[in-house]
Amino acid sequence: GNSVTQMEGPVTLSEEAFLTINCTYTATGYPSLFWYVQYPGEGLQLLLKATKADDKGSNKGFEATYRKETTSFHLEKGSVQVSDSAVYFCALSDRGNNRLAFGKGNQVVVIP
Amino acid sequence: DAGVTQSPTHLIKTRGQQVTLRCSPKSGHDTVSWYQQALGQGPQFIFQYYEEEERQRGNFPDRFSGHQFPNYSSELNVNALLLGDSALYLCASSLKTPGQAYTFGSGTRLTVV
Repeated sequence: GNSVTQMEGPVTLSEEAFLTINCTYTATGYPSLFWYVQYPGEGLQLLLKATKADDKGSNKGFEATYRKETTSFHLEKGSVQVSDSAVYFCALSDRGNNRLAFGKGNQVVVIP
Repeated sequence: DAGVTQSPTHLIKTRGQQVTLRCSPKSGHDTVSWYQQALGQGPQFIFQYYEEEERQRGNFPDRFSGHQFPNYSSELNVNALLLGDSALYLCASSLKTPGQAYTFGSGTRLTVV
């Protein structure tokens, strides 16, 4: 079945540092890929998405490229701010059933 | 434009009781899905409703049931509550077209004691 794997553990970094969160997936066919962000006490907000191989999703300085050859969709941001502190979830949606499979999420803490 | 609204925001129930959670989708969306998010975990798909019928179901027991109304709003019902049902329950709406992004509500925090 479909599954998403995110790198283990929280990520703690200083303001203006470079952020990378790894995400790999297993799916049949050609899924759509998403990054969602969850701020404390809130639901999930769509951060960016990509629907086909080599697409790059981007929003608010975050980027992720759909890599079919490595089945990856790593999230990057060049200079993080304290306000980027949140939990980030990688997810995929199978074109056949339109339901989301999520990774376990990564807590990101940005220190001033 | 209102997004997805869920009620109530918090709920405390006793083991064995039944609970109903409610969701109004984003304007223009016709498909509603429910997810369970245990503490420290990613959301898990419960089921999806479209045209007032359950179209897909995840790996959840029959104690979990739902309904979609003609105005696209939805309810999630859980019977015979267990301690393990304590979680954040998220409602998400979208268009039926595969690959569409979901819009999530802020969730209902259910605590079973």
